[in-house]
Amino acid sequence: KAGVTQTPRYLIKTRGQQVTLSCSPISGHRSVSWYQQTPGQGLQFLFEYFSETQRNKGNFPGRFSGRQFSNSRSEMNVSTLELGDSALYLCASSPVAGFDQPQHFGDGTRLSIL
Amino acid sequence: GENVEQHPSTLSVQEGDSAVIKCTYSDSASNYFPWYKQELGKGPQLIIDIRSNVGEKKDQRIAVTLNKTAKHFSLHITETQPEDSAVYFCAANTGANSKLTFGKGITLSVRP
Repeated sequence: KAGVTQTPRYLIKTRGQQVTLSCSPISGHRSVSWYQQTPGQGLQFLFEYFSETQRNKGNFPGRFSGRQFSNSRSEMNVSTLELGDSALYLCASSPVAGFDQPQHFGDGTRLSIL
Repeated sequence: GENVEQHPSTLSVQEGDSAVIKCTYSDSASNYFPWYKQELGKGPQLIIDIRSNVGEKKDQRIAVTLNKTAKHFSLHITETQPEDSAVYFCAANTGANSKLTFGKGITLSVRP
């Protein structure tokens, strides 16, 4: 069974631009969650999607948004990029909604803002 | 609160020795506690997890213990090997199971 796939693996953008990251969950998994990982703040929850609906959102500004498609694939978008948005963005999938079960992570997208 | 604290931040052990990593949590409603291993250039990989109705769980060289009263849980790795060197994260489901909150991570180095 293929794991969680994130594309692209690396991205370089400049301040003010926007970016879209993609996540394909494990086949059969319907929940996708996103995390931002930085050396200073560690792993921080961004949001969770299940059945094309955002269930929960972390403490991030409105510039961070996402969506989920009918095939459970998810995208996250960051608009008006800032230097502080440089991070590793990880997504995780699980069969159903909620976090009382194993979350399977992809290898992330490394976003660098110049 | 929904904090998960992890200590120490770095740990170095000799190959063959045991390593213990401890975490504390603050959300009384947390009932699921996974541990992840992250290697360079990779995403976190689940290595073991424990639920609040269990006090201990073991999988070969890895074990996790949970003390609900004290709100802490620990990862135990026995007979460490160089390939155990990585960053280890503890986590707990928080906010009425609305998210996973992670500790800051610990860098484990196993000296050959």
